[in-house]
Parts: sequence; C-alpha cells; structure tokens
Amino acid sequence: GAGVSQSPSNKVTEKGKDVELRCDPISGHTALYWYRQSLGQGLEFLIYFQGNSAPDKSGLPSDRFSAERTGGSVSTLTIQRTQQEDSAVYLCASSSRDRIYEQYFGPGTRLTVT
Amino acid sequence: GQQLNQSPQSMFIQEGEDVSMNCTSSSIFNTWLWYKQDPGEGPVLLIALYKAGELTSNGRLTAQFGITRKDSFLNISASIPSDVGIYFCAGQRGTYKYIFGTGTRLKVLA
Repeated sequence: GAGVSQSPSNKVTEKGKDVELRCDPISGHTALYWYRQSLGQGLEFLIYFQGNSAPDKSGLPSDRFSAERTGGSVSTLTIQRTQQEDSAVYLCASSSRDRIYEQYFGPGTRLTVT
Repeated sequence: GQQLNQSPQSMFIQEGEDVSMNCTSSSIFNTWLWYKQDPGEGPVLLIALYKAGELTSNGRLTAQFGITRKDSFLNISASIPSDVGIYFCAGQRGTYKYIFGTGTRLKVLA
C-alpha cells in the first residue's frame, strides 16, 4: 500500500521568503507528526496532530513556523520569512490509532535557504 | 532538543561480521523503536519494543528492551553491504512524543 508521501522532495528558497511543505499520511492513520533533521543530527520533534484534537505545537522553534491538517488527512508545514538556520530535512510521519507508537516516515523535504 | 546517547557514533565492519549498537538514557522509557535511514530517504521502522526485557527479531536484526528501561540494544548478524546506513533509536515515555538518538552510522566493507 501507499506510504507517507511528501512534497516537494527538494526546495531551495531565498532568505526571507515563505515556504509550504506538504505531507500526505498513510490512509487511515489518525496521527501525524512533523520532525526536523539537521545535517548529521537526530530528529527534532516539531508538531503532532491526532484526529480532531488540538495539535501539540510545543516543538515549533519560533512563531515563523505553523502547521495545519485539513480534514484529518493532508498536512502543510509553513515557514514564514525563512532564515538560513531553517535549512534542514523536514520529515513527516504518521501512525494508526491501534498502533499509535509505531511511526512511519515519509522521504522528507530537503529545504535549503540561501 | 533532548536526544538519546547512541554508541558507537560510527563503525566500519567487514561483510559477514555481526554488529552491535546501543542506546542509553538517564530516563526510563515505555517503548523503544529502532529505525534505519538511507541517504536521502526517511527513516524506516525496523523493530518496536514494548516491555522491559523484551527481545524481538526481524530477520537478521535482533533488538532488546533493557531491563532497567533506560537502554536498548540492536544487533545485526552476518552483515551485508545493504546494511549500510544510519540507525536511530527512539524512546517514548508515556506520551506520543519520541526522543531520538544521535544515530549510529554503519559502513560495511565488502
């Protein structure tokens, strides 16, 4: 079956511009996560969505970062006024309600801010 | 953010050798996951562990949930070139949030 998909796979943007990253979770998965992975580093939690509950935004590094999840499926991570330190791979993961602890990751979006 | 300590950070091994890596923390975890990440791709779930002392295998991979609940181990037997990649552990502590390890970079010499 289809896994988690993300788009674009690569994004190069100029400092100060806004970017939108998209995640399409596995069909039927109720939980959706966004992570950031800087070069050679582990994964940094950004935000968590579960069904219709209020998202956990505690990992967002600044108010330039926001995320939405429409209709309990597709999610968009938006970074406003991008900075060079935002350059990283942004990973999305989803999990099902009955196996909530097993996260399945998408291929990521590599963001480069010049 | 907080990360788990993984060791070794990197290792070169000969094809056919067994590999061991571990993940440690000063905190107790309820669940451990092990992932493998290939270059340019997202992490792929290898093994999930839910109980202290649990030993679980997935092909040539075996992982254990430490009895103290503060560590986990991953072993790969008879390594092959496609085992190359970065292996991450992740620990979960009563919520949906995971803390990820710093990764072990494995290189297999044919």
